[in-house]
Amino acid sequence: QQQVKQSPQSLIVQKGGISIINCAYENTAFDYFPWYQQFPGKGPALLIAIRPDVSEKKEGRFTISFNKSAKQFSLHIMDSQPGDSATYFCAAGLGNAGNMLTFGGGTRLMVKP
Amino acid sequence: EPEVTQTPSHQVTQMGQEVILRCVPISNHLYFYWYRQILGQKVEFLVSFYNNEISEKSEIFDDQFSVERPDGSNFTLKIRSTKLEDSAMYFCASRQTGGTDTQYFGPGTRLTVL
Repeated sequence: QQQVKQSPQSLIVQKGGISIINCAYENTAFDYFPWYQQFPGKGPALLIAIRPDVSEKKEGRFTISFNKSAKQFSLHIMDSQPGDSATYFCAAGLGNAGNMLTFGGGTRLMVKP
Repeated sequence: EPEVTQTPSHQVTQMGQEVILRCVPISNHLYFYWYRQILGQKVEFLVSFYNNEISEKSEIFDDQFSVERPDGSNFTLKIRSTKLEDSAMYFCASRQTGGTDTQYFGPGTRLTVL
């Protein structure tokens, strides 16, 4: 019940295209949904996060769409750039449990020039 | 910009040996975490620590693991008797209290158990 499932495992997008990564969760008690970006040899860095009281959040080229009834959320990267090539992890947090994060399996994004 | 730091960047040890992984969280943060990432797999929660005690721990965090904040700045993860399957990247993270949920991750320590 604690699982977060992420797809696809890998994604290749042309420069300027839209990258879409999807996640699904099971535990309805999750109340915090961040996306992390990880470059090789680095730790995960927070990209954008959403709480279940809103259906969409946009920060620059990055948008989270959240569907509470379907227990799904997705990351959209508009105008994808080669510098966006990284591994992206969705996660879900439980605020009443010290906000421990449960991560999805990761998506390796490659943006071709 | 303040950041979480971890030492060493790479630790190689023999099976059965004890290792201590060190982290310096961001200075005004009060929640601390350890996660691990086995090569090619997802990041997994190990333990969270607040007010000098463990607040949550996962099934992975068994009696072989312990955490400590020995001096008010460092946060350590000790593995008493390492196993081959402990080989992974270990990430420390910290979070500021006061309503924000953002966890800031360090660069990680790669632990290799031979």
